[in-house]
Amino acid sequence: DTAVSQTPKYLVTQMGNDKSIKCEQNLGHDTMYWYKQDSKKFLKIMFSYNNKELIINETVPNRFSPKSPDKAHLNLHINSLELGDSAVYFCASSHIETQYFGPGTRLLVL
Amino acid sequence: AQKVTQAQTEISVVEKEDVTLDCVYETRDTTYYLFWYKQPPSGELVFLIRRNSFDEQNEISGRYSWNFQKSTSSFNFTITASQVVDSAVYFCALSGPDRDDKIIFGKGTRLHILP
Repeated sequence: DTAVSQTPKYLVTQMGNDKSIKCEQNLGHDTMYWYKQDSKKFLKIMFSYNNKELIINETVPNRFSPKSPDKAHLNLHINSLELGDSAVYFCASSHIETQYFGPGTRLLVL
Repeated sequence: AQKVTQAQTEISVVEKEDVTLDCVYETRDTTYYLFWYKQPPSGELVFLIRRNSFDEQNEISGRYSWNFQKSTSSFNFTITASQVVDSAVYFCALSGPDRDDKIIFGKGTRLHILP
């Protein structure tokens, strides 16, 4: 059974579109995260939620909006996609300090 | 401010050689956590180890070992008798003690194991 899952795995879309990436964890963890990994493999945190409460919100354009319907889910909605949004987006969850990552969503904006 | 430096951008070794990946960190916290993650060519991020700042014992797990030295703020990772399947990007990471603390990742070291 997959611990942290993301859908879709690949997302190709046109500039200006709105898209969502879904994340679910079945580990019973309280905290979930979204990271962006750029083409140089640099990993940077975007958001963190604990029990549906936003606790980390990095300097991310407000076109990016996370939504946590319950503590097992953290979705990422992106409005008005831009070329620079092309990256791999990773969801993660943690109970104490260790974060476990999903498989990533490869987003390509054309 | 917290910082993680992986000075080795890319390393290539021949299979069966030993290889050490360096990680140097900076933090003002007295309690902190260090991590290593592996990202194979398939792209997923695999957790390898977590080390608490109060535990300086070295750890060995099969062919993997980790050397944590607070005196030099280093948390190096050694692969013994490397195998082609070890080829990946390896990330060292650091976080503070609190729930709200972010994990700060190094820029990664790309390891090529040549057959």
